[in-house]
Amino acid sequence: GENVEQHPSTLSVQEGDSAVIKCTYSDSASNYFPWYKQELGKRPQLIIDIRSNVGEKKDQRIAVTLNKTAKHFSLHITETQPEDSAVYFCAASTRGNFNKFYFGSGTKLNVKP
Amino acid sequence: KAGVTQTPRYLIKTRGQQVTLSCSPISGHRSVSWYQQTPGQGLQFLFEYFSETQRNKGNFPGRFSGRQFSNSRSEMNVSTLELGDSALYLCASRSGTALSYEQYFGPGTRLTVT
Repeated sequence: GENVEQHPSTLSVQEGDSAVIKCTYSDSASNYFPWYKQELGKRPQLIIDIRSNVGEKKDQRIAVTLNKTAKHFSLHITETQPEDSAVYFCAASTRGNFNKFYFGSGTKLNVKP
Repeated sequence: KAGVTQTPRYLIKTRGQQVTLSCSPISGHRSVSWYQQTPGQGLQFLFEYFSETQRNKGNFPGRFSGRQFSNSRSEMNVSTLELGDSALYLCASRSGTALSYEQYFGPGTRLTVT
């Protein structure tokens, strides 16, 4: 089955700096890669996703890049703010109706004001 | 649209008991997945239901079971509870169509086994 590895496990940045979280996956059949943000005591929320036919996707201060050849994808957050502090999870899923999501172990991002 | 809802939000049980958790997906969504979240193991996939049929199953013992009703609501049951079953149980819904991949989570049920 699929194996998703996520790094780093913790990340501390100064407000205004950029943050990058990286994930690798093992199954070349995976074609959908979402990122979730989970604040303390809350549900994971989908913040951005990318499909395998796209190399990069942006939404305001966040972006995701995908390298299918190397089987890795990354989350980029620019101009970080204290409210970006949370745990971020990456995931990989294979095509079709019968999706099974494999999650990374999470990155705890701390943005210092 | 209303989001994914789960009941109850908190539950305390003792070892050996059984528990049933409920999940109502987003209206129109036909796929419901269940996950166990613990500090040490992260998000672990339990199973997925689509149109009342279990389509995928994770690596959990048979004590963990589920079902889905015709209105897409889903229940998860854990029998003979163990201390290690203490976790946040999250359900997530998807539309279930081949073109729609997005998955949305409910608030979770926090289960504590004593």
